[in-house]
Amino acid sequence: QVTLKESGPVLVKPTETLTLTCTVSGFSLSNARMGVSWIRQPPGKALEWLAHIFSNDEKSYSTSLKSRLTISKDTSKSQVVLTMTNMDPVDTATYYCARIRYHGFPFDIWGQGTMVTVSS
Amino acid sequence: DIQMTQSPSTLSASVGDRVTITCRASQSISSWLAWYQQKPGKAPKLLIYKASSLESGVPSRFSGSGSGTEFTLTISSLQPDDFATYYCQQYNSYSGETFGQGTKVEIK
Repeated sequence: QVTLKESGPVLVKPTETLTLTCTVSGFSLSNARMGVSWIRQPPGKALEWLAHIFSNDEKSYSTSLKSRLTISKDTSKSQVVLTMTNMDPVDTATYYCARIRYHGFPFDIWGQGTMVTVSS
Repeated sequence: DIQMTQSPSTLSASVGDRVTITCRASQSISSWLAWYQQKPGKAPKLLIYKASSLESGVPSRFSGSGSGTEFTLTISSLQPDDFATYYCQQYNSYSGETFGQGTKVEIK
């Protein structure tokens, strides 16, 4: 069974750096052409794609957030890590990770999401 | 960046109704379009990929159509479990993906 689970702080202060971890099971991050994305959703608002990383270490970032984001993976730990610098209250959201079955396919399996609040 | 615009934002319908949601892309995305269903407090669920392909396990009352810049999601006979918010997503660009703003399907 394929699962993804997000973990990280519930509360961060403005200007701090957020680090989120997505731990996957049921598939390997080294599977050819497979990838993982991060997506967020502010309360009551729409989904926003943030970044993705593929098995060949190809990475891509949201144009509007590129300067603040870094995505990486540790295949041996089955983890994908997203860091977002200089957090602001507008970054308060539920953060999801999701699997990309292969390049050219959308997000087929999602984690449950983790809510992050940015407040002093 | 490619922008995705959904209409309507909210839709009121009754059980058994045929429901159609539209999604427009700011430039051609061929058939690289997906539809998701999201219920309150839950992660989105993939319904349709490549504009018209039904994801495994999704009821056949859901269907998708379109190509280029105009796409539709149709629910042929709305069921109680279908009241939710629906999002379209383009995944044409290797540089990133974009979601629509969502369509909430409410009970009439």
